[in-house]
Amino acid sequence: NAGVTQTPKFQVLKTGQSMTLQCAQDMNHEYMSWYRQDPGMGLRLIHYSVGAGITDQGEVPNGYNVSRSTTEDFPLRLLSAAPSQTSVYFCASCLGLAANNEQFFGPGTRLTVL
Amino acid sequence: GQSLEQPSEVTAVEGAIVQINCTYQTSGFYGLSWYQQHDGGAPTFLSYNALDGLEETGRFSSFLSRSDSYGYLLLQELQMKDSASYFCAPVNDYKLSFGAGTTVTVRA
Repeated sequence: NAGVTQTPKFQVLKTGQSMTLQCAQDMNHEYMSWYRQDPGMGLRLIHYSVGAGITDQGEVPNGYNVSRSTTEDFPLRLLSAAPSQTSVYFCASCLGLAANNEQFFGPGTRLTVL
Repeated sequence: GQSLEQPSEVTAVEGAIVQINCTYQTSGFYGLSWYQQHDGGAPTFLSYNALDGLEETGRFSSFLSRSDSYGYLLLQELQMKDSASYFCAPVNDYKLSFGAGTTVTVRA
């Protein structure tokens, strides 16, 4: 099992550009989520999905879109990048939050918006 | 609203015991998770308490009191590799909320 994979590892964007951060898991987990982590801070939930075709907003959803067409993939789209979106982005998956709640995190994407 | 409090920093020597307290206020509470994150790395799961009481996993133990909205993570026999950030994360309404974390520094 590869676990949770994220691409790219690093990305530099100019203000106004759009891009998609990829996330995939091969553990057949129903629950997937995206977090951002700013320096010296904890993780903040952007969007999450409890299964294919179902997504919902987290704490900081503005400027981001998600879709969940398959169980395996949960891409995060930045619509028009802004410097405030400079952060490290983590994708995570788990069987379900009512279970033992072990979330598996990907290695992260380090995004800089100039 | 939701709130989460844990100490920002703890320093201890190798072999010591460290307790990281966590108090939370949240609706739809399911349980309390703990995660470890080494600098620049992905968070990794340490423990999850759904019920009151103590859960022990090797050198790490976690405690929950739902009536007090309080939990703690106990790190025993500290090792240098335990230097990291530790996050308590209440689980509520299908969401995991992270605090700012506690930076644990282990000195020789």
